[in-house]
Order: sequence, then C-alpha cells, then structure tokens
Amino acid sequence: GESVGLHLPTLSVQEGDNSIINCAYSNSASDYFIWYKQESGKGPQFIIDIRSNMDKRQGQRVTVLLNKTVKHLSLQIAATQPGDSAVYFCAEILSGNTPLVFGKGTRLSVIA
Amino acid sequence: DAGVTQSPTHLIKTRGQQVTLRCSPKSGHDTVSWYQQALGQGPQFIFQYYEEEERQRGNFPDRFSGHQFPNYSSELNVNALLLGDSALYLCASSKGISDTQYFGPGTRLTVL
Repeated sequence: GESVGLHLPTLSVQEGDNSIINCAYSNSASDYFIWYKQESGKGPQFIIDIRSNMDKRQGQRVTVLLNKTVKHLSLQIAATQPGDSAVYFCAEILSGNTPLVFGKGTRLSVIA
Repeated sequence: DAGVTQSPTHLIKTRGQQVTLRCSPKSGHDTVSWYQQALGQGPQFIFQYYEEEERQRGNFPDRFSGHQFPNYSSELNVNALLLGDSALYLCASSKGISDTQYFGPGTRLTVL
C-alpha cells in the first residue's frame, strides 16, 4: 500500500492567510521528500524538497517542516494567494534510487 | 531553457488498440520516468529510463513498455488497451536517477 498519505483531502483558506498542508509517511527509512503543486490540466510542479537530515527548509513564501519522530511532513504557504489554488502532493523516496511515491493530494482553495 | 515536453496532449483510443506517448526531457537531463495519474489520485510510478535502459519498474503489467533514445527522449507504449488505462500519463525528467524530477504537462488518454 501507499506509505505516503495526507490528513485532509481539501483545505479552504482566505486570501492573505497562511496555509498549512500536512502529510504523514509510514517508512522511517524514507530520506527525501518533495512537495509538488498541480494545477488543473497541468503536470505537477516542483515546490520545495527536504532531506531527512534536516527538519526545516524555507523557500519563497513556502516552508517545509519534517518531524521524523512522528513521521510527519508539512508545507506552509505564507500570505496565500488565489494563484496558490491547486492540488498539493507530497512525495517520498524511500531510500537510494527507489522511485517517487506520491500521496493522494490535498486540494487548496483560496477564497478571495 | 525548454522544460519537459510531451505529445500528444490528448488522445482517444478504443479497447484493444495500442498507443505510443512521447516525452522530451528538460535540457541537461538524461533520465526519464513515466507515471500514470488516475482522476483524483496521485501519480503512480510506471518505469524509469537511464542510458537507454529500463532501470526501475513499478507494479504495471507487461502491456506497458518503453524506450529511451540516444538524445534522452522517451516513448511509452501501451498494448491491448483497457478502459482502466484511461488516465493522465506524466513524464518526468531528472539529471541522474536520484535527482529531483521535473514533470511535463502530461498526455490525457481516454479509452472507449
């Protein structure tokens, strides 16, 4: 079965608020995690990644947090904008050269 | 710098037919991975090509086959199409087997 899952299938936030999208993984050997954004009719777009030797990584308006103790990953989007509306997937690489394993995704809707 | 490109964008086939989908990787990338994404689901790994050889394969039947050319572009072939093969087929490229993967826009396949 899937080792990557998401707590919430949908999330609605007001424009300008911060968004937090959560993801759980089950394999403690996973060592690389990626967040992708997929807009309707498009392929997944790389947002940010993090390796298991880190617990936080920041990008432009986005932050990924990794809690290895509880095997939890989150994506924080600051000052959410209408253009952030999309489905967000976390993906995991178990170890070495194993392929990406995706979760089912969370749909983020931004309310103007 | 061209990103990952895929052709065609849409395709309609009938059961039992065969289909070929094409992918050109991002400039500088030498590895191509293929994914199947059913509606409302995350992408599922089909296989990965590097140095013109299949390096990894997901849980897909032999009806799914592929090829990588010397210029790193790739084809996905599906024989004896089933209704359940209807999906978005995504190609992702990377610089090496375990580097970050960047996705193309996908090919929407509908099997009638």
